[in-house]
Amino acid sequence: DVKVTQSSRYLVKRTGEKVFLECVQDMDHENMFWYRQDPGLGLRLIYFSYDVKMKEKGDIPEGYSVSREKKERFSLILESASTNQTSMYLCASRTGSNTGELFFGEGSRLTVL
Amino acid sequence: AQSVTQPDIHITVSEGASLELRCNYSYGATPYLFWYVQSPGQGLQLLLKYFSGDTLVQGIKGFEAEFKRSQSSFNLRKPSVHWSDAAEYFCAVGARTSYDKVIFGPGTSLSVIP
Repeated sequence: DVKVTQSSRYLVKRTGEKVFLECVQDMDHENMFWYRQDPGLGLRLIYFSYDVKMKEKGDIPEGYSVSREKKERFSLILESASTNQTSMYLCASRTGSNTGELFFGEGSRLTVL
Repeated sequence: AQSVTQPDIHITVSEGASLELRCNYSYGATPYLFWYVQSPGQGLQLLLKYFSGDTLVQGIKGFEAEFKRSQSSFNLRKPSVHWSDAAEYFCAVGARTSYDKVIFGPGTSLSVIP
């Protein structure tokens, strides 16, 4: 069965801390995505990667960076966390085809104090 | 760039009643269109998708959606709602160009009255 695993379901961090959110998929998918989900705003794309070491900015990349050193792993990095980055973060993966289904992890809820 | 609107933030229906959730998109060509569902505390699951061909597509759990190019719409329907359908529903649009992103709408929250 397909699986996208996000390493932390709940995190609490302090303002200014560096935060790593890890995502691993076991489906050999080429594409991986990071979204944040906020009430009333739906899912907003932060970054996506269509291949190893490749990345593209989404609609809200400010304050975030990503790393994809291996095909199965896509990390989201908050260099200096701020309170407005308190949110639910969702990772997804997909085959290289634009018609492919997105497979989502269960999400990481980050609270920045 | 593509965009998606879902005009209804929240809908309440009685169990057994029919359901229609609205979705409008903006894109310069024919897009790829998706509906996803998110049950409380869960990740998102694909209900159905449209790429080409028949404009009425069938999905899982008895859902269907109709693509109307003239209205830039992709509305989701179900003839008889079950209590277990209570969830958040997201419409999404993908571009037909390579290496492109999938954009989601703000979502519609569905409540079902027994």
